[in-house]
Amino acid sequence: AQSVTQPDIHITVSEGASLELRCNYSYGATPYLFWYVQSPGQGLQLLLKYFSGDTLVQGIKGFEAEFKRSQSSFNLRKPSVHWSDAAEYFCAVGAPSNTGKLIFGQGTTLQVKP
Amino acid sequence: GAVVSQHPSRVICKSGTSVKIECRSLDFQATTMFWYRQFPKQSLMLMATSNEGSKATYEQGVEKDKFLINHASLTLSTLTVTSAHPEDSSFYICSASGWALAGGGTDTQYFGPGTRLTVL
Repeated sequence: AQSVTQPDIHITVSEGASLELRCNYSYGATPYLFWYVQSPGQGLQLLLKYFSGDTLVQGIKGFEAEFKRSQSSFNLRKPSVHWSDAAEYFCAVGAPSNTGKLIFGQGTTLQVKP
Repeated sequence: GAVVSQHPSRVICKSGTSVKIECRSLDFQATTMFWYRQFPKQSLMLMATSNEGSKATYEQGVEKDKFLINHASLTLSTLTVTSAHPEDSSFYICSASGWALAGGGTDTQYFGPGTRLTVL
C-alpha cells in the first residue's frame, strides 16, 4: 500500500540556519511527489513537485527538494530559514494516473527561533 | 494562476441544521475537485473526489448522505453537511485540478483556504 512518512513531527531551527525536512514514501513505482506548506488556519500552498527528470527540484520561497529513488525519499531543503517560514509542511505522493488522489504525510511543524 | 477560493471561511451553526460550503476555481477549469477534512494538529483526510458532471466518489467510512457533494460546473463544487452535529466540527478544505493547468494537469492539486465549521 502507498504511504508517506514524515519522521519529524516538530523541528525548531534558528533564523538564518539551514533546514531539511524529511519525507519517505512507499510506492511500487515512481510516484508524483509534492511538498505543501500550511500556515495556521489556512489552506495548503504548493511549494514544489516532482514528476520526472532532474531529481533536484526548485520551488517557491527558496525551497528545493531532491528525489532519491534508492532511499525512497523526497527531502525538502532551504539554505537559510526566515521567520516567515514557520508553518506546517506536508509531503504528499500521487499515483501517475487520472485519479489525481494524493496521500499525505502527517506533517512537520517548523518553528523558527529569532 | 491556479487560484481556488472557498466560502464561507468560517461558519457557526446550531446542531441539526445544514451547512453548504462552496469551492471555486477562479482561473482554471477544475475537472476534478477534492474535499478534505482536517482535525487540529493532524494531516488531511480525503473525504471524496468529484468529477464535473458525475457523482462524487466517497472514501471508505465517509457518509455520503451526510456529506453531500455537487460538482455541477467546471468552476464550482459544493459540500453540504446535512443535519450537522458537534462531531462534524472541523476544518474543511477543498482542492482542484484540471487539464488547463500547465506543468501539472490533473495530477497537481491546488487548495482553497479552508472553511472552519463549528457546530454548537
